[in-house]
Amino acid sequence: AQRVTQPEKLLSVFKGAPVELKCNYSYSGSPELFWYVQYSRQRLQLLLRHISRESIKGFTADLNKGETSFHLKKPFAQEEDSAMYYCALSPNTGNQFYFGTGTSLTVIP
Amino acid sequence: KAGVTQTPRYLIKTRGQQVTLSCSPISGHRSVSWYQQTPGQGLQFLFEYFSETQRNKGNFPGRFSGRQFSNSRSEMNVSTLELGDSALYLCASRNLLARPYEQYFGPGTRLTVT
Repeated sequence: AQRVTQPEKLLSVFKGAPVELKCNYSYSGSPELFWYVQYSRQRLQLLLRHISRESIKGFTADLNKGETSFHLKKPFAQEEDSAMYYCALSPNTGNQFYFGTGTSLTVIP
Repeated sequence: KAGVTQTPRYLIKTRGQQVTLSCSPISGHRSVSWYQQTPGQGLQFLFEYFSETQRNKGNFPGRFSGRQFSNSRSEMNVSTLELGDSALYLCASRNLLARPYEQYFGPGTRLTVT
């Protein structure tokens, strides 16, 4: 069963506009949710984790257990935000990690 | 701590050959996972090893195999290479002894099969 769904394969926004990358998950129990980012020619890196409730590079993500969503948001997109973003889930047992199919974000100057 | 390292970074092989890729995890991490990344398929999970035992496996043919050593370093082997095996192979490590269980990735090995 698909554990993590990212409905948008491609997303384009203008610089300064708000951006939201959608992520929905299916898992019973209390999983850990993450967002990973891959900039051009760089390694895949952790952007943020739901358990930390942090804001990294202006991005935030709120875990909505009722809607089983973990959308990534930023109020004002910057050109350097252009990258591939992956939503990921880890069961709280530490079992297999699941990645979504990724969303390629392009911020238009 | 040093990050996840992978060797070699680039590899060109001919169809039918076999290849071995290597991964050194972050010190203290005993879990190592392997992924195949392609533009069309995104990230595809191959397998995960923990303390020298394979604990999870993705949907790849038996030509793809792996192993982990007592120092947690891992190798992935692909036999009888096919053109479709051309991809970026990523290794990731994580600490399963404490939450959160996030993964840390290496730079990848770019495999080209001709």
